[in-house]
Amino acid sequence: EIVLTQSPGTLSLSPGERATLSCRASQSVSTNYLAWYHQKPGQAPRLLIYGASKRATGIPDRFSGSGSGTDFTLTISRLEPEDFAVYYCQQYGSSLVTFGPGTKVDIK
Amino acid sequence: EVQLVESGGGLVNPGTSLRLSCAASGFSFNSYSMHWVRQAPGEGLEWVSSISSSGTYIYYSDSVKGRFTISRDNAKNSLYLQMNGLRAEDTAIYYCARHRGVVVIADAFDIWGQGTMVTVSS
Repeated sequence: EIVLTQSPGTLSLSPGERATLSCRASQSVSTNYLAWYHQKPGQAPRLLIYGASKRATGIPDRFSGSGSGTDFTLTISRLEPEDFAVYYCQQYGSSLVTFGPGTKVDIK
Repeated sequence: EVQLVESGGGLVNPGTSLRLSCAASGFSFNSYSMHWVRQAPGEGLEWVSSISSSGTYIYYSDSVKGRFTISRDNAKNSLYLQMNGLRAEDTAIYYCARHRGVVVIADAFDIWGQGTMVTVSS
């Protein structure tokens, strides 16, 4: 099983600031099959990024993903009020899909 | 509108069974792999199980293997999760989710239902 570690656990920022979230895998993620989701309280997760760097349908370009192998990054260029949420990375390169523990982005 | 609606959750005693359903609409259900993901109260996301579009390929997490069974009825546009031998640690919101791509074997989950709560307690 591929274990995903996310850092930091909590990121306190102000609207308009840049957010950088990290996801590290215990072994190389096959073909960069790495996705990012965010989840707001009381809502289902929403897909943001798949294939490490491809934006999902309807996701604004302030969200970008990068990385390969075992180290991946989600960057939000300028935080909007609706971006304050919990962010999860997911690897789907193996038949045993795993999620990271999440990074909470809250308002400073 | 593409939509997934889960049902079947509730409060049950440890050791009993429950069957969750997920009704799909707005897309060609029989073309997509489907997944179950759960989230314990205040915790993160945990993948539970996946099933291919035809039902040929099925996968489970180690935590539910041997107790849970995923299935689908493409004629009814429905996904199911039969949960037996329920434990307190199975308490969670259970989400069904759609595989993003039609032909790609490995893909992210692009459509999610709102979830159904399962509480296992005596």
